[in-house]
Amino acid sequence: NAGVTQTPKFRILKIGQSMTLQCTQDMNHNYMYWYRQDPGMGLKLIYYSVGAGITDKGEVPNGYNVSRSTTEDFPLRLELAAPSQTSVYFCASSYHYNEQFFGPGTRLTVL
Amino acid sequence: DQQVKQNSPSLSVQEGRISILNCDYTNSMFDYFLWYKKYPAEGPTFLISISSIKDKNEDGRFTVFLNKSAKHLSLHIVPSQPGDSAVYFCAASNAGKSTFGDGTTLTVKP
Repeated sequence: NAGVTQTPKFRILKIGQSMTLQCTQDMNHNYMYWYRQDPGMGLKLIYYSVGAGITDKGEVPNGYNVSRSTTEDFPLRLELAAPSQTSVYFCASSYHYNEQFFGPGTRLTVL
Repeated sequence: DQQVKQNSPSLSVQEGRISILNCDYTNSMFDYFLWYKKYPAEGPTFLISISSIKDKNEDGRFTVFLNKSAKHLSLHIVPSQPGDSAVYFCAASNAGKSTFGDGTTLTVKP
């Protein structure tokens, strides 16, 4: 039981490049989330999903896109990367409204 | 407008003493409150939670208190141990979406 896995662990992008952050969970959770954490700050919700085929915006969705074609996977797409997207990205999953299980994070730098 | 606030960025306590971490919220629609612990270079891990219909929940050394009228919750750790040194995030939830505070860094000195 691996829990929530995220790839890659680190990435450096140039301004204007695109990338997809991968997230997979093996707990059969319906709810999945993407957060970003800037230095000294809390986690800000980017997008979330309550089940396959259903996604919704969180607090800071601009510049990101998501899809949820399966229960297990919830990739986050960055189009036209900007320096403001330099952050640590965490994926999480939960069973209904309960506590969330987090992945180890992806540290992204945009130069 | 920050809906969940942790006003103390850091807290230092002696091993064996009590650690009290505080959290305030503004949205009365929040119905579930959680505390997470985070070590450097790792994702947050769930610690303890409380429903809005309760005022206290205890799990071993950890107790969470909720004061709905004051829109305030606190996490008590007794006794504190050096391994408790981490960043603690308070989160408030409504309809499955959680809003996080900025965290309090707890340092427990041996």
